[in-house]
Formats: sequence, C-alpha cells, structure tokens
Amino acid sequence: SQQGEEDPQALSIQEGENATMNCSYKTSINNLQWYRQNSGRGLVHLILIRSNEREKHSGRLRVTLDTSKKSSSLLITASRAADTASYFCAAHYYNQGGKLIFGQGTELSVKP
Amino acid sequence: GAGVSQTPSNKVTEKGKYVELRCDPISGHTALYWYRQSLGQGPEFLIYFQGTGAADDSGLPNDRFFAVRPEGSVSTLKIQRTERGDSAVYLCASSLPSAIQGKAVANTGELFFGEGSRLTVL
Repeated sequence: SQQGEEDPQALSIQEGENATMNCSYKTSINNLQWYRQNSGRGLVHLILIRSNEREKHSGRLRVTLDTSKKSSSLLITASRAADTASYFCAAHYYNQGGKLIFGQGTELSVKP
Repeated sequence: GAGVSQTPSNKVTEKGKYVELRCDPISGHTALYWYRQSLGQGPEFLIYFQGTGAADDSGLPNDRFFAVRPEGSVSTLKIQRTERGDSAVYLCASSLPSAIQGKAVANTGELFFGEGSRLTVL
C-alpha cells in the first residue's frame, strides 16, 4: 500500500494556539494536497503543494514539503473553534496516474 | 447543481442484497473518483474514470464491486451480494482535466467531493 501516515492521530488545543499536523508518504510525488472534513460531511480541499515547491501559504494555513524526507506539514495559526475537524493529506504519486492516496488523518479539536 | 451530488445519502440494506449508489459530478468535470471511508479512517481509493472509461480500478476490493459512467457524466457504483464489511461511507469526487500535449488526462489537482452515501449492511 502507498497510503501515507499522519501524526498525531488526534490533537487537542485551545483557541488561539497553533496546530501542526504531519504527513509522510512513500515514493516520489507530483503534488501533495491537504483536505479538511467536518464530522459526517464530505472533504474540502485546502491547499496543494507541488513537488518542486517547499512552502505555501493560504490565509492562516502554511504547508511545507520536504521531498528528501518524504514528509509534509500543515500549520494552522491562531486556531479557532471552527477549525475543529479531521485533516487529511493526499499524495498524487508520480507513477500512479490521476488518483490521490489519502492518509489516515489527524482529528483536531480546538476548545474555546 | 453547483457541487457533486450523491444519492442516496443513507442506505440500509440486508446482507446479500444488491445496492446502487449514484454520483452526479460537477458539470464539465471529466474525471470522477470513488472512495470508501470507514469510521476513523482516511478515504480508501476504489476507482476513477476519465470520461466514460475506468482509468484505474485497482482499488475495487473484489468482483462484487463494479462502477459505470456510460455517458461520461453520472456514475453508478454497484455492489452485489453485500456483506456487513461493506458498511462504510462511499465518497464521490470530480475534477477538471489536465491537458498534456493536447490530450486530456486525469487531473492532478483539486478534487471536489460530494457529501457521501452512508451504506449500512445488516
């Protein structure tokens, strides 16, 4: 299986704190994407980082990519209660056509 | 509609029955994906279509699972002789194509997901 791993599996923080989630993947990628899923809902795309990029920002989100370590991290700054959700990384592997392979996710709880 | 639509939102069936789950993608999205998600797990890839053809069906767990997309738009995931282990949320997603040398290929970018169909096999 090429499914990557995410850590931590669960993270609980207070509003205003930063949340960092990590993702590792298996082999060479074209890009890596992060998605958010509220309980019982579908996934929503947050950000995409290409294999030749090292860092990307979108609002309070910052994503980094280290291809030498085959890892990525998602940082949410100044977290809010509304950020409570599960976060998944998804790898588009170089030799796997158009499919995305998702990790197991990090369940984030932000307490007011 | 503006988003990916999946029906039914909930399906309860008995072991051994046949089930069909429908996905209506965003208009103009040529790539369509099916994933399965169990509680507390990440989405597990099943199959994706580029147009009418299945570009990769390597994630279908066995021959009880089949998916079609006859006109390159709506897709149906079909499960025969359902088992209790098939209980999960089935997610559909669509995306725009990428063009490489004038030939459309499956997108490598953002997937747009529906809300899922929750299947419970009793």
